[in-house]
Parts: sequence; structure tokens; C-alpha cells
Amino acid sequence: GQQLNQSPQSMFIQEGEDVSMNCTSSSIFNTWLWYKQDPGEGPVLLIALYKAGELTSNGRLTAQFGITRKDSFLNISASIPSDVGIYFCAGNYGGSQGNLIFGKGTKLSVKP
Amino acid sequence: DGGITQSPKYLFRKEGQNVTLSCEQNLNHDAMYWYRQDPGQGLRLIYYSQIVNDFQKGDIAEGYSVSREKKESFPLTVTSAQKNPTAFYLCASSIRADGELFFGEGSRLTVL
Repeated sequence: GQQLNQSPQSMFIQEGEDVSMNCTSSSIFNTWLWYKQDPGEGPVLLIALYKAGELTSNGRLTAQFGITRKDSFLNISASIPSDVGIYFCAGNYGGSQGNLIFGKGTKLSVKP
Repeated sequence: DGGITQSPKYLFRKEGQNVTLSCEQNLNHDAMYWYRQDPGQGLRLIYYSQIVNDFQKGDIAEGYSVSREKKESFPLTVTSAQKNPTAFYLCASSIRADGELFFGEGSRLTVL
């Protein structure tokens, strides 16, 4: 079946540092989505990518849809304590959200 | 305000009991979804519905049932047939089948 590998599993960084995480798939995806989840809450959409090569920013966040359509990365610049949480990538390999697959998440911890 | 409302936030159930989780959205979205989240895992799709009176099984539908009698509502019943029901359940909606997902705040079910 479809597989999505997200790395790293966890990160411990100092406030002010930049962060990078990525997802790779075994298949070509049409869409990449990046979410952030705080403890006990639902995921919140950060960035949506729809075209290969697309580079999109949302404040200090930047995400790219890989040229091969099998990978995506998310960068966070100048991290702050409220960046703490779990970041999920999700990829869609078909026209229906029934084909949306989630990575297992990257847990980010930020030391003030 | 527009959004997705899940209730209850926390639920305790004895083994052998059915329980129904509520999901209501006022975003006028056509598609709605139920996901299950376990610690350290990505989100796994239980059921989804792209239109009223129609729904499809996801990857882990066994032991669950849903209905979609109204566009705004997509309740999930966790039946006694679900062998390991303790989990965090997330409801989501999207404006169309391949659009971005927006999540509710989740319902945590604990079986005693």
C-alpha cells in the first residue's frame, strides 16, 4: 500500500534556531499538506501545496512540493516557544480525500 | 463563527457498550471524514462521506458505523465490535473531495 515517511520523529532545538523536516512517499502525490497539532487538539492546516516545485510561505514557515512529486519539506525559521507541537505532513495520491495519507509526525520541542 | 464542533471532548465507556461521537460543521462543506489517532501514529481514516446519504469505508472501518442524513452532521458510532476503541478521534471536513481538510478539536474515548 501507499507509504509516507516523515522525518525526523522528534527535534529538540534552542529558541531562535531554524527547523527543517521532510516527508517522502513511495508514490507520486498530487497534493501535499502540512499541519500542526497542539496536545489534545485537532490539527491546524499550515500550508497546502498543489504543484510540483511549488514553494509557499506562511510567516516564518516555508514548504515546498518536490519536483519528483514524491517529497515535501517544511522549514520553520527563527523558532519560538509557541512552535512546540507535532507537525504532520499529508499527501493525496488521487482525486478523493479518501486517498489522503498522513505521516507519523515530527514532535518539536523548543528550549527558551 | 464557522467551524467544526465535536462532542463530547472526553468520553468514558465500559466494554461492550456502543458510543456515538458527534460532529457538526457549519462551513457548508460537502465532504466529511473521521480519523483515529493513536500515540505516535499518524491519522488513520475510518469513514468518509462526499455527499449526503453516501459514505465510504476508510482503512480501519471495522467496528465503526456512520450516517450522513444531513450535510452538517456526520456522527460516528464506536460499536462493541471494535476491539481496541481507546483513542483520540478526529472529525474533518473539506469543501470538495480533493480540497484541504479542516479538523475539529477531537474527542478522546477511553474504554474502562
